[in-house]
Amino acid sequence: QQQVKQSPQSLIVQKGGISIINCAYENTAFDYFPWYQQFPGKGPALLIAIRPDVSEKKEGRFTISFNKSAKQFSLHIMDSQPGDSATYFCAASIRDTGRRALTFGSGTRLQVQP
Amino acid sequence: DSGVTQTPKHLITATGQRVTLRCSPRSGDLSVYWYQQSLDQGLQFLIQYYNGEERAKGNILERFSAQQFPDLHSELNLSSLELGDSALYFCASSSQTDLNYGYTFGSGTRLTVV
Repeated sequence: QQQVKQSPQSLIVQKGGISIINCAYENTAFDYFPWYQQFPGKGPALLIAIRPDVSEKKEGRFTISFNKSAKQFSLHIMDSQPGDSATYFCAASIRDTGRRALTFGSGTRLQVQP
Repeated sequence: DSGVTQTPKHLITATGQRVTLRCSPRSGDLSVYWYQQSLDQGLQFLIQYYNGEERAKGNILERFSAQQFPDLHSELNLSSLELGDSALYFCASSSQTDLNYGYTFGSGTRLTVV
């Protein structure tokens, strides 16, 4: 079953706070886990990605934590800003030659209050 | 501008009709993916083409079809449209040599079936 479960569905955080979004997957063959950020009226944009051979990846205020044994990964947004208000999607894909279709989570609508 | 161009941006049509959505991938990208985004189902993978050939199929209805042309642009054809087909349709492209497997999404076509 190629499914990715994402929570919470929506999240409200105060400016300067930490936003945490969680995802869980079932298929152990997944080997690439990106996060996408989508603003209203725009297509999703790649934010940060991780492979299962590392447990954490940090880019600026954004950090992915990966727990291979639990089949879970999460996005942490430190010092959340109103400009971070968007919908966030986790995703996963399988390294299958020529087939890199991503399976997306259901999305988390983040609202950062000033 | 992501480099992936989708036209038209908006489309309103009646049930039973047929429409064609167009996508021009980012320069140099050989893979094109089509996704459907509706309010209650997130991003659903429809189909992937690589250098003109179909590579993977997702939850694409038989009423839908796609193709990728020699110049690498792709078209998604939706026929016998139903109210439930109203959604945002995104095209994404990727480079076969991109080790990070990153997708670049277009801004989408919003289809409204009335």
